[in-house]
Amino acid sequence: QVQLQQSGPGLVKPSQTLSLTCAISGDSVSSNSAAWNWIRQSPSRGLEWLGRTYYRSKWNNDYAVSVKSRITINPDTSKNQFSLQLNSVSPEDTAVYYCARVIAGTTGGGFDYWGQGTLVTVSS
Amino acid sequence: DIVMTQSPDSLAVSLGERTTINCKSSQSVLYSSNNKNYLAWYQQKPGQPPKLLIYWASTRKSGVPDRFSGSGSGTYFTLTISSLQAEDVAVYYCQQYYTAPPWTFGQGTKVEIK
Repeated sequence: QVQLQQSGPGLVKPSQTLSLTCAISGDSVSSNSAAWNWIRQSPSRGLEWLGRTYYRSKWNNDYAVSVKSRITINPDTSKNQFSLQLNSVSPEDTAVYYCARVIAGTTGGGFDYWGQGTLVTVSS
Repeated sequence: DIVMTQSPDSLAVSLGERTTINCKSSQSVLYSSNNKNYLAWYQQKPGQPPKLLIYWASTRKSGVPDRFSGSGSGTYFTLTISSLQAEDVAVYYCQQYYTAPPWTFGQGTKVEIK
């Protein structure tokens, strides 16, 4: 059974960096069939995909255009986890952040496992 | 990006009644080479992450009750709950993965008990 466990602060000051981690059990961040994603949810923006990291002979990343200049998603193979960094945050980045897995060939492009969610509030 | 639009935004249904949620995509999500619709449905209960119910527009994920079904093709899709149960109270989302990335979601449909 795959489990994703999120950790990180729930309060970030404006202009600072939001950092979250998603620890994986039951699968590998280096899987050749999975991709590891960050998604956020807010009343104003709904569910918004932010980016992913995945391994296909080498590490790859894709990011949403809306955050591309501010986001980094990194795998950590030693701890079997991946992380989100979002720079220069503003109150508009206040949201519940989720990590989620998508796996090719099994459930199409559906996100089949999700972390528990972290409410991140951007406020001074 | 493909825009996903759901209707209605909310609905109240009596227990045991049929529930229908609609989803329209701004362009077709049907991939002609494999005749698959790149669309998924999720259920989200308060305080929980979304739960994948259906993928390829009509394939139920293992463990999902068979009262949930998906249909449609191209740009119009429907999620049907054949007989609403109390535990089905939730917000439901459609999501396309035809042009993923990015994945895009509908705005959600809230289902309540009448």
